[in-house]
Amino acid sequence: AQSVTQPDIHITVSEGASLELRCNYSYGATPYLFWYVQSPGQGLQLLLKYFSGDTLVQGIKGFEAEFKRSQSSFNLRKPSVHWSDAAEYFCAVGASKAAGNKLTFGGGTRVLVKP
Amino acid sequence: GAGVSQSPRYKVTKRGQDVALRCDPISGHVSLYWYRQALGQGPEFLTYFNYEAQQDKSGLPNDRFSAERPEGSISTLTIQRTEQRDSAMYRCASSLDTGLYNEQFFGPGTRLTVL
Repeated sequence: AQSVTQPDIHITVSEGASLELRCNYSYGATPYLFWYVQSPGQGLQLLLKYFSGDTLVQGIKGFEAEFKRSQSSFNLRKPSVHWSDAAEYFCAVGASKAAGNKLTFGGGTRVLVKP
Repeated sequence: GAGVSQSPRYKVTKRGQDVALRCDPISGHVSLYWYRQALGQGPEFLTYFNYEAQQDKSGLPNDRFSAERPEGSISTLTIQRTEQRDSAMYRCASSLDTGLYNEQFFGPGTRLTVL
């Protein structure tokens, strides 16, 4: 069975500082990996996704993530955080097409941005 | 150009009552997913449809939960004889089909509180 672990429940970062959110996954085949952001009162918005190819993927809002198969990780990074990045971030792994592409999410990391 | 919509946005009910949660997917989207998100956790898969056919209901917690999508568009998630443990955010998502290159677009969710 697939699973996703986000070790950090909360992270506080100063505005302008760099941010890295950790994600570890367990999946029996080639993983399809996603990062979503959830702002207060909003739905989940896709930041980026990895299916194959280049292991460094670029997303929206200046985010990027790196897939490392040897470490079963897919960490999310942003070089310089803005106050508007305060939100909850979810890493997810997608099931195969045969399994309907249902997503398995991690528990989330809440990011607080200090002025 | 509407996204996924869900209604009601908030639902407060008493234990033992039945509730029906509605999801209106993006027009033309074949696949529709239901997830449940408890406070402080990531979303968990409940069930999904391709067109009107329910393909997988393995995530439904028990037989009090059911879902339908009779015309392949709007879907209703019904919880019978609600219990306090059913309190959560219920999220709906839709995608063009179950191809892995099709993003799941999430609605704003319905916050269910069972007193």
